[in-house]
Amino acid sequence: DSGVTQTPKHLITATGQRVTLRCSPRSGDLSVYWYQQSLDQGLQFLIQYYNGEERAKGNILERFSAQQFPDLHSELNLSSLELGDSALYFCASSVDSGANVLTFGAGSRLTVL
Amino acid sequence: AQSVTQLDSQVPVFEEAPVELRCNYSSSVSVYLFWYVQYPNQGLQLLLKYLSGSTLVKGINGFEAEFNKSQTSFHLRKPSVHISDTAEYFCAVWETGANNLFFGTGTRLTVIP
Repeated sequence: DSGVTQTPKHLITATGQRVTLRCSPRSGDLSVYWYQQSLDQGLQFLIQYYNGEERAKGNILERFSAQQFPDLHSELNLSSLELGDSALYFCASSVDSGANVLTFGAGSRLTVL
Repeated sequence: AQSVTQLDSQVPVFEEAPVELRCNYSSSVSVYLFWYVQYPNQGLQLLLKYLSGSTLVKGINGFEAEFNKSQTSFHLRKPSVHISDTAEYFCAVWETGANNLFFGTGTRLTVIP
């Protein structure tokens, strides 16, 4: 157990739907990162939050959004889902914004049918 | 832009044989280097990291890696692999001043009995 908790572990939904993935960082970590892992794109950085504020953006689609709450948990919202959004979504956390050692959760596997 | 190249997508090797997984990166600034391992149906686990100091770093499960600045490489090695080493291995780079890890496309190591 890495200490980073992601829910749900598996999610199956239909095209056009909206889902929310949740992440609780490791105790004491203030930064949360979201990554998407797909077969054709590999591991892609989506977005980073530090203590509630967005710090960095990667290859995140406009249909996707995220936020970090005062209790430091984070949610990734995926809307107008397409077949190509099927992937493993990882959350990682670190102590601070510039910290470079990330601890990853087990991931949420999203299947869009 | 930062890029991380893992030259071999798949590496089959017999049990107890040595293995080297190759990683090259492109960066003109200082970097921190990492290897992560992903076992089937699990999240990413940190194997080892290079932040500074000795260019030969040792990680968990008998793995080690050597940072070569002139070659911009960070190859992962193990002198004798076990069946349990079968997994996907990811090289990752953190550029100083950046806010996320850049990952390579991964190398699938399969240990053959």
